[in-house]
Amino acid sequence: GAVVSQHPSRVICKSGTSVKIECRSLDFQATTMFWYRQFPKQSLMLMATSNEGSKATYEQGVEKDKFLINHASLTLSTLTVTSAHPEDSSFYICSARDFRRDNYGYTFGSGTRLTVV
Amino acid sequence: GQNIDQPTEMTATEGAIVQINCTYQTSGFNGLFWYQQHAGEAPTFLSYNVLDGLEEKGRFSSFLSRSKGYSYLLLKELQMKDSASYLCAVRDNYGQNFVFGPGTRLSVLP
Repeated sequence: GAVVSQHPSRVICKSGTSVKIECRSLDFQATTMFWYRQFPKQSLMLMATSNEGSKATYEQGVEKDKFLINHASLTLSTLTVTSAHPEDSSFYICSARDFRRDNYGYTFGSGTRLTVV
Repeated sequence: GQNIDQPTEMTATEGAIVQINCTYQTSGFNGLFWYQQHAGEAPTFLSYNVLDGLEEKGRFSSFLSRSKGYSYLLLKELQMKDSASYLCAVRDNYGQNFVFGPGTRLSVLP
């Protein structure tokens, strides 16, 4: 149980274009999902907390107009990187908590490798 | 502020025991997690401590001292597949958000 599906796993886009990343909880409902970014050989940095039916909460230094988050249902959150630039190239990972599993219920998606050329 | 420290890299031999330390200073505390992450993959859950003491789970054990802001992950009978990054993460008081440490890259040599 507690599977989080993230799509796409890899994407290459041209500078200036937008890319949408999907994060789905397959067998549980997630009122809250988390979006992380990880640069090579670095740890995960929380970008934003996605809340179903309300606005996302962004961490300091993360541009909310550049990284658009939509959490329209209890099983789907999307992250759109708008006007992507090469410095946005990174590994993006989502996470969700299955409250049925209490403290062990944080599950990560498989990640999306974004390369902006 | 939030600060979590781990050694950057460690090397150990197959079959040996290795201890990965984590120290933390966070504004709130509601549990400490250890995750394993292979290159290019998402983290997978290893262990969870919220009370002081040792939690054992097969070849992996994790220890927590809240008063010292200290935890360690102990890996026994190392296998080549244990070569990965190990992330220490602290959950905040509200029980939702994680702060991740920089991760420790462990290389297991034959």
